[in-house]
Amino acid sequence: KQEVTQIPAALSVPEGENLVLNCSFTDSAIYNLQWFRQDPGKGLTSLLLIQSSQREQTSGRLNASLDKSSGRSTLYIAASQPGDSATYLCAVMRGGATNKLIFGTGTLLAVQP
Amino acid sequence: DGGITQSPKYLFRKEGQNVTLSCEQNLNHDAMYWYRQDPGQGLRLIYYSQIVNDFQKGDIAEGYSVSREKKESFPLTVTSAQKNPTAFYLCASRPPGQVYGYTFGSGTRLTVV
Repeated sequence: KQEVTQIPAALSVPEGENLVLNCSFTDSAIYNLQWFRQDPGKGLTSLLLIQSSQREQTSGRLNASLDKSSGRSTLYIAASQPGDSATYLCAVMRGGATNKLIFGTGTLLAVQP
Repeated sequence: DGGITQSPKYLFRKEGQNVTLSCEQNLNHDAMYWYRQDPGQGLRLIYYSQIVNDFQKGDIAEGYSVSREKKESFPLTVTSAQKNPTAFYLCASRPPGQVYGYTFGSGTRLTVV
């Protein structure tokens, strides 16, 4: 059974700091991995998607990497801003007809001005 | 604008009552999903549907029921058999033939009183 874990559960940093969020998964047979952002009491917004054949994806100040063999992904946020404060969730998709997402437990990020 | 609408935003249920959460999308997506989110546990899949008049149980379907009579609508009923229904419920949809492009609703917070 696929299990997805995110460390740390919560993180507080001063504005301008670079930071790394971690995601680990137990079954390396994944189709892709996605990072989502969730603001309090809101739905999820997709940030980055990495296909299983890719090593990383970049969007603006965000960079996500994937190491399938070790079952790890990282989300790097450069020059953090207070507006980055949110919960960040990673999710893996196992191939097949249903294409279900299995979510991690999330990292609550607070960027202090 | 296309999107997913969940209603109500907040819902209160007395013990022993059934309640129905609404999820409507105008994105012409075939696949729709219901997730439950509890603090510190990430999102868990309740039910999903890949086509009208068909749906499948997810990982935590007990105490829940769904219907998919129209492409646009995927309501979730929380029955009295669900012993711990207090949670945040998220509905999502996905375009046909794609493994990315999930769109999430803004959620319904259900509280048992």
